[in-house]
Amino acid sequence: NAGVTQTPKFQVLKTGQSMTLQCAQDMNHNSMYWYRQDPGMGLRLIYYSASEGTTDKGEVPNGYNVSRLNKREFSLRLESAAPSQTSVYFCASSPRRTGGLGEQYFGPGTRLTVT
Amino acid sequence: GENVEQHPSTLSVQEGDSAVIKCTYSDSASNYFPWYKQELGKRPQLIIDIRSNVGEKKDQRIAVTLNKTAKHFSLHITETQPEDSAVYFCAAHVLHGSSNTGKLIFGQGTTLQVKP
Repeated sequence: NAGVTQTPKFQVLKTGQSMTLQCAQDMNHNSMYWYRQDPGMGLRLIYYSASEGTTDKGEVPNGYNVSRLNKREFSLRLESAAPSQTSVYFCASSPRRTGGLGEQYFGPGTRLTVT
Repeated sequence: GENVEQHPSTLSVQEGDSAVIKCTYSDSASNYFPWYKQELGKRPQLIIDIRSNVGEKKDQRIAVTLNKTAKHFSLHITETQPEDSAVYFCAAHVLHGSSNTGKLIFGQGTTLQVKP
């Protein structure tokens, strides 16, 4: 099993450009999450999906959209990138629909820079 | 809103000493508290967790204690080694409204440095 995979690993965008971060898991997990990690801020939840076909906002959803394409894939889209979105983005998955009641498995991260 | 506070933000200890990291949470309904370790440039990984019906849990050199009344929990690492150097995150599970889904709220992280 590859676990949780993310693409791309690195990306540089100009302000106003759009892009989609891809995440896939092969563990048949129900719940998937998108976090951003900034120095001194910990991991902040952007959006999550408890099951295929459902999505919910996390702590910092503004400027982002998500799609739970199927049980395996959960993508994060930046429609108009801003310098404040420079961050490391982690995708995670969990076997339980109730999300955090159990280990979350993280992907390797995407380092995004917006200039 | 839901919040998890973590202290200290940095911690430096000598090899062999103990390290303690403390977290407080705001949602009294939280019932699951994991700790994640993140080495430089790598992804966070679960090292230990505790549920609200347990006051303490140990796994070799690491232990977690929970005080539900005071809404705080702590990570204890004994006999620290240089390979324990990393960023440690606490988290609290929060249920989402009536949909019976859940999410983790993370603390800000503690950078632990173990000096040889």
